[in-house]
Amino acid sequence: EPEVTQTPSHQVTQMGQEVILRCVPISNHLYFYWYRQILGQKVEFLVSFYNNEISEKSEIFDDQFSVERPDGSNFTLKIRSTKLEDSAMYFCASRLGQGANYGYTFGSGTRLTVV
Amino acid sequence: GDSVTQMEGPVTLSEEAFLTINCTYTATGYPSLFWYVQYPGEGLQLLLKATKADDKGSNKGFEATYRKETTSFHLEKGSVQVSDSAVYFCALSGGYNQGGKLIFGQGTELSVKP
Repeated sequence: EPEVTQTPSHQVTQMGQEVILRCVPISNHLYFYWYRQILGQKVEFLVSFYNNEISEKSEIFDDQFSVERPDGSNFTLKIRSTKLEDSAMYFCASRLGQGANYGYTFGSGTRLTVV
Repeated sequence: GDSVTQMEGPVTLSEEAFLTINCTYTATGYPSLFWYVQYPGEGLQLLLKATKADDKGSNKGFEATYRKETTSFHLEKGSVQVSDSAVYFCALSGGYNQGGKLIFGQGTELSVKP
């Protein structure tokens, strides 16, 4: 069964450093998402991406965040200057279409720890 | 805005007990409803879904019925196993023109003891 692959599985970074989280969505999927889950809290939507542009973003997704699909394969989330409160599990997801019958496939996540 | 509320955990049950995890939602339009499961150290996996009122989603012995009149999507299983221990998330997704993002509840941790 096709998978969404995220790398690395765990990243530790110093506060103020830039970090790039990488995702390889399912190859024929068209809609891409990033979510995060702070430890013990709910999964929160960050951003959706379609046709090489952001289609929706949450209040969390401020100027420190950016997304890119640089080569038609990878889908990356960049945090420009990490803060302690960015420590969370980050999930990438993709789906083929946007109708009710199109399922989401999630990656297994990248645990980001900012120290 | 749209939201999902789940019963608080943790829920601790003995093997073969009956499980109910309550989920209610607030949404405009006609959302699709989902249950996702997160096993320890893993990502989110779709457990079941329902896309319209009165639909019943089912998988691996779990069931949930989309109740529009009570805006609920409670998860049930007749006989839980130790392997069902995980965190369960109720979620909704809006209609076609509502961006397609998932809105999650806060998650309910289930612990099943032998």
